[in-house]
Amino acid sequence: KNQVEQSPQSLIILEGKNCTLQCNYTVSPFSNLRWYKQDTGRGPVSLTIMTFSENTKSNGRYTATLDADTKQSSLHITASQLSDSASYICVVTSTGNQFYFGTGTSLTVIP
Amino acid sequence: NAGVTQTPKFQVLKTGQSMTLQCAQDMNHEYMSWYRQDPGMGLRLIHYSVGAGITDQGEVPNGYNVSRSTTEDFPLRLLSAAPSQTSVYFCASSSTKYLAVYNEQFFGPGTRLTVL
Repeated sequence: KNQVEQSPQSLIILEGKNCTLQCNYTVSPFSNLRWYKQDTGRGPVSLTIMTFSENTKSNGRYTATLDADTKQSSLHITASQLSDSASYICVVTSTGNQFYFGTGTSLTVIP
Repeated sequence: NAGVTQTPKFQVLKTGQSMTLQCAQDMNHEYMSWYRQDPGMGLRLIHYSVGAGITDQGEVPNGYNVSRSTTEDFPLRLLSAAPSQTSVYFCASSSTKYLAVYNEQFFGPGTRLTVL
């Protein structure tokens, strides 16, 4: 069964600290993996997208990694800011253009 | 360029009432879709459209109707609201149905619906 699982469910960190969010998937055949940021009361906004051949992609303080062999991805946030408080959603697309959403990790950055 | 817009932002309905959630995009995108987002669950696809006059069902279509008379608009209709339809609804659009690397999906701000 094609699934996307994210961990942790929620995370609280101090401003300025780094954190890493995890995404494990069983989707096959794999096409690409996206990380979205969803602020409270808003729609998801794309942060990064990676294909099978890419293992790292950065967007400012956000760095996503992909290990297609183990079917794992991570999103690393460096020097967190209060504005990073949001839900982060991992979405995997199959080559058949089916897309599978994770349930998200809720990140809270406190001063 | 407003992107994807949705109205209303909030709505409370009584069981059995009907309503239409509005969605519009100004990016000339062919593909539009509706999702619902519930606590502890990922976004689930309700209906989608690959162009004006063409719609199809997603993962959870029961209780919802859609139509696509223009490229810009893709309304979602609840014919007889039920408490199980309490959710946050997102409309999204992209240039094509295929979420390849070059094709980004843009989401609207959402409509929070409560059915009593």
